[in-house]
Amino acid sequence: DTAVSQTPKYLVTQMGNDKSIKCEQNLGHDTMYWYKQDSKKFLKIMFSYNNKELIINETVPNRFSPKSPDKAHLNLHINSLELGDSAVYFCASSPSGRLATNEKLFFGSGTQLSVL
Amino acid sequence: KQEVTQIPAALSVPEGENLVLNCSFTDSAIYNLQWFRQDPGKGLTSLLLIQSSQREQTSGRLNASLDKSSGRSTLYIAASQPGDSATYLCAGLNYGQNFVFGPGTRLSVLP
Repeated sequence: DTAVSQTPKYLVTQMGNDKSIKCEQNLGHDTMYWYKQDSKKFLKIMFSYNNKELIINETVPNRFSPKSPDKAHLNLHINSLELGDSAVYFCASSPSGRLATNEKLFFGSGTQLSVL
Repeated sequence: KQEVTQIPAALSVPEGENLVLNCSFTDSAIYNLQWFRQDPGKGLTSLLLIQSSQREQTSGRLNASLDKSSGRSTLYIAASQPGDSATYLCAGLNYGQNFVFGPGTRLSVLP
């Protein structure tokens, strides 16, 4: 059983379209995250949710809107896609979100988004 | 603002060699530092976590050290195997509860 699963694995779309990426975790964790890995391979936090509540919202265009219907799901909706949105997007989860207590992050396998 | 760099960007070694991967961070105010492994088409797997009060952690053939004063961490891999081929990322947890990742070192272990 996959602990953190995200779909789709690949997403190719035209500029200006709206698309969603879904993420689900079956670990019973309270906190979920979205990270973006750009072409230079840097992973950067975008959002984190704890029990459906937004905790971290980094400087991300408001075309990106996370939605958490329950603590096991965190979806990412992107409006009006731009060329610069092309990247790999990773979902992750952690037990409580209290990362300073040395709990680990568990990552999904990523969604490679290509905007043409 | 925390910045993390990793040297080298890529490394190719013959099987059986011992090797060291380097990670540097600009802000020593970190809670902990983690080393991750990333395989192509897959997510990241946490390998080792070093708390800010610790100097090193070991797991099997892997040993990670942390020197907060110099802002450096190293990942030592003993007796490397082809299965170790992957990208290795280090990440520091800052006081804003964010992980700041380095760009990774792409390791190839040749049979």
